[in-house]
This record gives sequence, C-alpha cells and structure tokens, in this order.
Amino acid sequence: DAKTTQPPSMDCAEGRAANLPCNHSTISGNEYVYWYRQIHSQGPQYIIHGLKNNETNEMASLIITEDRKSSTLILPHATLRDTAVYYCIVIGGSNYKLTFGKGTLLTVNP
Amino acid sequence: DAGITQSPRHKVTETGTPVTLRCHQTENHRYMYWYRQDPGHGLRLIHYSYGVKDTDKGEVSDGYSVSRSKTEDFLLTLESATSSQTSVYFCAISESIIRGRNYGYTFGSGTRLTVV
Repeated sequence: DAKTTQPPSMDCAEGRAANLPCNHSTISGNEYVYWYRQIHSQGPQYIIHGLKNNETNEMASLIITEDRKSSTLILPHATLRDTAVYYCIVIGGSNYKLTFGKGTLLTVNP
Repeated sequence: DAGITQSPRHKVTETGTPVTLRCHQTENHRYMYWYRQDPGHGLRLIHYSYGVKDTDKGEVSDGYSVSRSKTEDFLLTLESATSSQTSVYFCAISESIIRGRNYGYTFGSGTRLTVV
C-alpha cells in the first residue's frame, strides 16, 4: 500500500488560500489520491479525489504532479470553519480500505 | 451524516460487561467499516464488511466482534469491555468498488464509549 507524508501542522490566515502538501512517492498506477478532513470530534468528511488530472469541486482543488508522487490540496479562501485535521490517503486497486495517517492540522487564524 | 446513523451516541459501561454499538445505513452501500479513534493514534480500522455475512478483521480487531445480517446494519460488539476500549468509534460506508471505482467513504457522527 502506498504511504503518504504530510506536515504535522500548518497555519493560514482567514481569507487566504491554504495549500496542503502530500507526498506519495510509492503510489502505483491504479491508486487514487483522496483527501478527507476531520473537524474536532466529528466524523471525517470527504473533500476531493483524483487519479492524475487536477480536480476542482465546490470545496477545494487538487493538484497532482505529473509523476504523481505528490499532490497539493488547495482551499482557495480559507475560513475559520476550515480549521481541521486534513488527511491525504492513497487507495485503489484491490485495496479499498481507508488507512489514516496522522494528517495535517490546519489552523485558520483570524 | 445523512444516510448513516450510529447508536448510541454516548455510553458509559463497566469493565467486563458486553457492549454492542450499532451502525445503520439507508444508502444500500455494500461496504461498511468500524474505526476507533484515540489521541496519538488517529483512526484505526477494527473490522469491515464487504457484504451481508461477509466480514474481515482490520488492524485492531482483538477484543471485538462484528455481525452483518442485513445490508443496512453493522454491529460492533465488545464481548467483555476493558478500559483500553474507551474510545470514540466511527462507522463508515462506501459504495461498491465495481461501480465507477468510487472509494469515497461516508462517516457517521461517532459513538463515545467510556469503560470504567
């Protein structure tokens, strides 16, 4: 299973873009990159996923490098409610079980 | 979250007593999962199910059993609760991986279990 590496914490000013990096250098061709977040004491929430193309939805954008060894989750205009732990997860092929690492604690400051 | 509910939301029980947590879904999803979350450990998979009566162990299955007699319900049982099982338990569901390679999970709101 591909492993991911994320910084343990990041800060962002309210209204600015938050860029959360993730390294997944051992990702294989049929594995997707998924992002979830967990706001304090709530269940994790799906944000976005991608295979090799950049993706955008109403919550965020996902930029995947051409070699697929890393990706960046972008929250274009962070708000205080975006303060959460963000998890980057690689999953695919016959592995359909989400495995959570420690994630990145994003703190959005006023 | 809509479509998935956990019960109870909170429970305090004594060491040595049996406890059953329930996860109920209305999405008709094939896959269901039980996770526990503890400070310093993040979310860890206990058991999962890939269909009615089809279950398998996750990374921290000792002391837990599960049952899935129908699509919508996935039960997690602590046969004899211990203080080390004090945790927040999350249930999750996901669609069949056959359709559209969707690995997106939906999580419940969690059950906070305290074993005293």
